[in-house]
Amino acid sequence: GENVEQHPSTLSVQEGDSAVIKCTYSDSASNYFPWYKQELGKGPQLIIDIRSNVGEKKDQRIAVTLNKTAKHFSLHITETQPEDSAVYFCAAHRSARQLTFGSGTQLTVLP
Amino acid sequence: GAGVSQSPSNKVTEKGKDVELRCDPISGHTALYWYRQRLGQGLEFLIYFQGNSAPDKSGLPSDRFSAERTGESVSTLTIQRTQQEDSAVYLCASSLGAGNTGELFFGEGSRLTVL
Repeated sequence: GENVEQHPSTLSVQEGDSAVIKCTYSDSASNYFPWYKQELGKGPQLIIDIRSNVGEKKDQRIAVTLNKTAKHFSLHITETQPEDSAVYFCAAHRSARQLTFGSGTQLTVLP
Repeated sequence: GAGVSQSPSNKVTEKGKDVELRCDPISGHTALYWYRQRLGQGLEFLIYFQGNSAPDKSGLPSDRFSAERTGESVSTLTIQRTQQEDSAVYLCASSLGAGNTGELFFGEGSRLTVL
């Protein structure tokens, strides 16, 4: 089955700096790669996703890149703000039946 | 309701007791998922329902775990003879359904503590 590895597990950045979270996946048939943000006490919420026919996608301060050959994808957050502090999960999707999630990254934006 | 609703939000039980967790998905969402999230860990897939198809139970950790869904509505996750290692947040999510690689909408979870 699919295996998704996520790094780092914790990340602290100064407000205004950029944050990068990286994931690798094992199943070359995976074709959909979402990122979820989980705030304390809440369920995860989709923030951005990318499909395998696209190399990069941006949405304001958030961008995701995908390298299918190397089987890795990354989340980039620019101009970080305190409200970006949360746990971020990457995921890989091969079939409609289930996503495989990474282990999560606790991002802390320091004022 | 507007989102996925889960109950109870918190449940404390004694080892060996049975517990039942409930999920109300978003109306019209044919796919429903249960995940387990242990403290500080990622999301562990448990079970997936899609319409009237047979559920994908491949993530259930033992035969103490079971889940049901009535049509395309409410689902219940039952844990029998609870153990301390069952302590976790149980998250339910729904989506538009098979063939749609779109967004999962999560509830806020049911936090289970087994003493």
